[in-house]
Amino acid sequence: NAGVTQTPKFRVLKTGQSMTLLCAQDMNHEYMYWYRQDPGMGLRLIHYSVGEGTTAKGEVPDGYNVSRLKKQNFLLGLESAAPSQTSVYFCASSYSRRSHIRTEAFFGQGTRLTVV
Amino acid sequence: AQTVTQSQPEMSVQEAETVTLSCTYDTSESDYYLFWYKQPPSRQMILVIRQEAYKQQNATENRFSVNFQKAAKSFSLKISDSQLGDAAMYFCAYRSPRGTGAGSYQLTFGKGTKLSVIP
Repeated sequence: NAGVTQTPKFRVLKTGQSMTLLCAQDMNHEYMYWYRQDPGMGLRLIHYSVGEGTTAKGEVPDGYNVSRLKKQNFLLGLESAAPSQTSVYFCASSYSRRSHIRTEAFFGQGTRLTVV
Repeated sequence: AQTVTQSQPEMSVQEAETVTLSCTYDTSESDYYLFWYKQPPSRQMILVIRQEAYKQQNATENRFSVNFQKAAKSFSLKISDSQLGDAAMYFCAYRSPRGTGAGSYQLTFGKGTKLSVIP
């Protein structure tokens, strides 16, 4: 049982380049989240999804897009990377209809992204 | 929107001693979930303990326990018999229950408390 897997783990981008971060979960979870973590700022929610085909904006959505075409995958895209997007990105998932009492989120290992 | 506040950016504790990390939150809801997550240098986010708001009894997991004060909207974490492996960032988090409107599924984090354990 892999849990939540993020790809890639590290990436360096040049300003203006685009990239997609992939998050995959094998727990049949309904909810999936993308966060960014910056020093002294905690984890801030970028976008989230409450089910296949649905997405919503979080606290800091600007400059990012997401898609959830399949229940197990949640993609985070940067169309034109900026140095301000240098951060560690975490994907998380939670809530299975079969084990609804388990309310906590499970996290991926994080992706360290540097934009130069 | 819900907010979570951790007022202690850094704390330290002697090995084998007890330390309490503070967390307060702001919400208008009566039913919700609260969590403490640990993030060691490996960067992995690890669930330490969870508390359902409808439960009056404070949650306990081995050396970790919480003091949940619903009226005061306070959720502190107590670590007893501190060990070197407890050194990490600790995040308090709040989650709304399902079906209470826009944003109700969001998991909101505090800014974290960095805990150092002194041998």
